[in-house]
Amino acid sequence: QLQLQESGPGLVKPSETLSLTCIVSGGFVSSRSYYWGWIRQPPGKGLEWIGSIYYSGSTLYNSSLKSRVTMSVDTSKNQLSLRLSSVTAADTAVYYCASQPRISFLYMDVWGKGTTVIVSS
Amino acid sequence: QLVLTQSPSASASLGASVKLTCTLSSGHSDYAIAWHQQQAETGPRFLVKVNSDGSHSKGDGISDRFSGSSSGAERYLTISGLHSEDEADYYCQTWGSGILVFGTGTKVTVL
Repeated sequence: QLQLQESGPGLVKPSETLSLTCIVSGGFVSSRSYYWGWIRQPPGKGLEWIGSIYYSGSTLYNSSLKSRVTMSVDTSKNQLSLRLSSVTAADTAVYYCASQPRISFLYMDVWGKGTTVIVSS
Repeated sequence: QLVLTQSPSASASLGASVKLTCTLSSGHSDYAIAWHQQQAETGPRFLVKVNSDGSHSKGDGISDRFSGSSSGAERYLTISGLHSEDEADYYCQTWGSGILVFGTGTKVTVL
């Protein structure tokens, strides 16, 4: 059974770079059957897609965040990474990773539990 | 522009049924959507994917009380025999032209 677990620093200073990791178990990030997505949720607000990555390194990014986002896949550690640069208070959110079946329609079929990131000095 | 519209809230009594609506923006009425449930203080959970022809496929272990359907640009999630644990936020989500979009969510209250 596929499981995903996000982790990160918890607190990031404004203008710095946020770095998160998502460890995948019960499956492989090198699977040709999946994309891997990152989604966030600011406090009290709805869900926002950040982007998705395929094991080959091919990426799809939300245009509103594209200039600040970098995603990567580490097949040796079976994990995903997200970096978001030049963060502000508006980047305070719970960040989720999720598996996305590689079909013509991209959706999340398994979600991680999320990790909270607060941007504050 | 690809937009999903949801009512902010819905309510129904314990044991009753509730039908949630997600409306696709003009020009996108043939898109599939997915419904996700988010209970309080937890991460989302995938419930069901609904195609434009009304066919649907559920996530692993999802109760038969959850079903999806479709009519025109509207996609529906029906929850039958409401349980107290069905009280949650429900988000629809779609994908097209390199963009993944969420609706604003519907908060379901079980009376």
